[in-house]
Amino acid sequence: ELKVEQNPLFLSMQEGKNYTIYCNYSTTSDRLYWYRQDPGKSLESLFVLLSNGAVKQEGRLMASLDTKARLSTLHITAAVHDLSATYFCAVDRGSGTYKYIFGTGTRLKVLA
Amino acid sequence: DTEVTQTPKHLVMGMTNKKSLKCEQHMGHRAMYWYKQKAKKPPELMFVYSYEKLSINESVPSRFSPECPNSSLLNLHLHALQPEDSALYLCASSQAGVPDTQYFGPGTRLTVL
Repeated sequence: ELKVEQNPLFLSMQEGKNYTIYCNYSTTSDRLYWYRQDPGKSLESLFVLLSNGAVKQEGRLMASLDTKARLSTLHITAAVHDLSATYFCAVDRGSGTYKYIFGTGTRLKVLA
Repeated sequence: DTEVTQTPKHLVMGMTNKKSLKCEQHMGHRAMYWYKQKAKKPPELMFVYSYEKLSINESVPSRFSPECPNSSLLNLHLHALQPEDSALYLCASSQAGVPDTQYFGPGTRLTVL
């Protein structure tokens, strides 16, 4: 059974600080996705990582993928309050299965 | 247009009612999904349609009945639900056949009394 775990589950950080969210998955997959969800809202796509060593950056967020370690990271640089949200990683089983499994989620709170 | 729309936004129903949730996208996506999300939990996959055919049913109780009338529309028919079915129901779509991000609708918040 494919399991996707994130840590930490909850993160409270000061504005201006850096931090990393980790996403581990249990079986082989070459594709990993990061989403953001604001309270009471839907999910917004952040990054799609399609191969080992893939790195993508948008603003203060940078995501990377290590398929050999079955690990993805979401690095936050100089956090601002607007980044407060829940962040989910998701993995699909591949081979066109459309079976996306979401991680446990990391609730990020950036304090002013 | 990168929007997925869902109606209604909120739904309150009794355990004997029959209701339907609707989802629409005009991005030409041929894969469409229903997810259930409980508070402070990740979305859980319920159903996947690929090219208007049901390809995944994640052992969802028969009181939930999906339907894909055409490539742009996805319905979820609800009947005899239980209070524990109260949740946010999210529709999503993506390209079919290639690994691709999913675009999510705003969701329908369902309360079963």
